[in-house]
Amino acid sequence: DGGITQSPKYLFRKEGQNVTLSCEQNLNHDAMYWYRQDPGQGLRLIYYSQIVNDFQKGDIAEGYSVSREKKESFPLTVTSAQKNPTAFYLCASSTTGVSYEQYFGPGTRLTVT
Amino acid sequence: GQQLNQSPQSMFIQEGEDVSMNCTSSSIFNTWLWYKQDPGEGPVLLIALYKAGELTSNGRLTAQFGITRKDSFLNISASIPSDVGIYFCAGVTPMNYGGSQGNLIFGKGTKLSVKP
Repeated sequence: DGGITQSPKYLFRKEGQNVTLSCEQNLNHDAMYWYRQDPGQGLRLIYYSQIVNDFQKGDIAEGYSVSREKKESFPLTVTSAQKNPTAFYLCASSTTGVSYEQYFGPGTRLTVT
Repeated sequence: GQQLNQSPQSMFIQEGEDVSMNCTSSSIFNTWLWYKQDPGEGPVLLIALYKAGELTSNGRLTAQFGITRKDSFLNISASIPSDVGIYFCAGVTPMNYGGSQGNLIFGKGTKLSVKP
């Protein structure tokens, strides 16, 4: 089955620690995205990548970092510089070109205490 | 930045009722997408719209791309309990806006709940 996987589903960290969230897709999509979702809010774009070894900041990139070494993988690191890291994180992928349909993974809920 | 206003914010449904929700913006969008999200899960794409005036159905769901390109509507006919969840609209930014070519702007969602 083709799809997007995110692991783990739940993640707990102490304040001051960096943490990396995994995102893998086997849809052969060129573009991948990371969003943050807070209760009662829409999705806000953190980072996106339209091609391997290249990525761009989204609307709320501060305190986050990414890498895109392989087409299938787009890990997100939440650094200790992110002031409010507790949130639901969603990864998505899409083809590039005229279709902008993004397909989402199941999400990772990060809790930092 | 560009914003999408989604309404209503929440609504209660009784099984069998028809449901309508909409998404509006002060800016033009060239694509509209509708997603449904269940609690603790990722959004699932329901319908994609690419042309002004386009009307597209997916089972009991029907969505329309407004003629002005500034709005979109989603209707659910004969609702059933599994329709409960949060529905998001998303618009694709115009190609020449801010360098974020093809990225989605999301509304804040319409939460569908069952009438007590």
